[in-house]
Amino acid sequence: NAGVMQNPRHLVRRRGQEARLRCSPMKGHSHVYWYRQLPEEGLKFMVYLQKENIIDESGMPKERFSAEFPKEGPSILRIQQVVRGDSAAYFCASSQQGNTEAFFGQGTRLTVV
Amino acid sequence: DQQVKQNSPSLSVQEGRISILNCDYTNSMFDYFLWYKKYPAEGPTFLISISSIKDKNEDGRFTVFLNKSAKHLSLHIVPSQPGDSAVYFCALRGGSAGGTSYGKLTFGQGTILTVHP
Repeated sequence: NAGVMQNPRHLVRRRGQEARLRCSPMKGHSHVYWYRQLPEEGLKFMVYLQKENIIDESGMPKERFSAEFPKEGPSILRIQQVVRGDSAAYFCASSQQGNTEAFFGQGTRLTVV
Repeated sequence: DQQVKQNSPSLSVQEGRISILNCDYTNSMFDYFLWYKKYPAEGPTFLISISSIKDKNEDGRFTVFLNKSAKHLSLHIVPSQPGDSAVYFCALRGGSAGGTSYGKLTFGQGTILTVHP
């Protein structure tokens, strides 16, 4: 009965590189959400996806960030040409339906050096 | 534009006493309210929730109260235990017309709860 699995747990990237964060939702969950937590702040919504569809991306930065949730495989949050300000904890959550409780993974801590 | 505020960054309580965590919001379109608990280096863990049609929901030591007219949400933990020491976030769902944001949560900044033995 695995929960939401995120990998890697820690990721270090140099400025200008690409970061790929993966999220496998709980079994039976088809709704995935990505959140970012900057130091000393709460979690900020980034994007909400269902299988193969982006439902709400109102929290995604306009450039360099993209997300997908393919029919097969995990959801991917991709950050191109990372900058120091991208350093944060990125959390993924999943739910069975859009109106049920969301369960969070342990997060990926991205450090840009 | 902060729609959800937890005005107390920290709270310190003696073991066995009541802990009260508060959350205020500005957008009346939020329709579902949740509390999450978070330990360092872990993801938030769902604790308890309440829908906008209720004013109270209880689960063991945890009770959530909703005052819609005041746009205020609170979490009561009684009796408090040292293992309750963590960061507590309120998270609100909805907040916009059209339903596209139904799955989206808006989080408060969190309150660090410390329960002393």
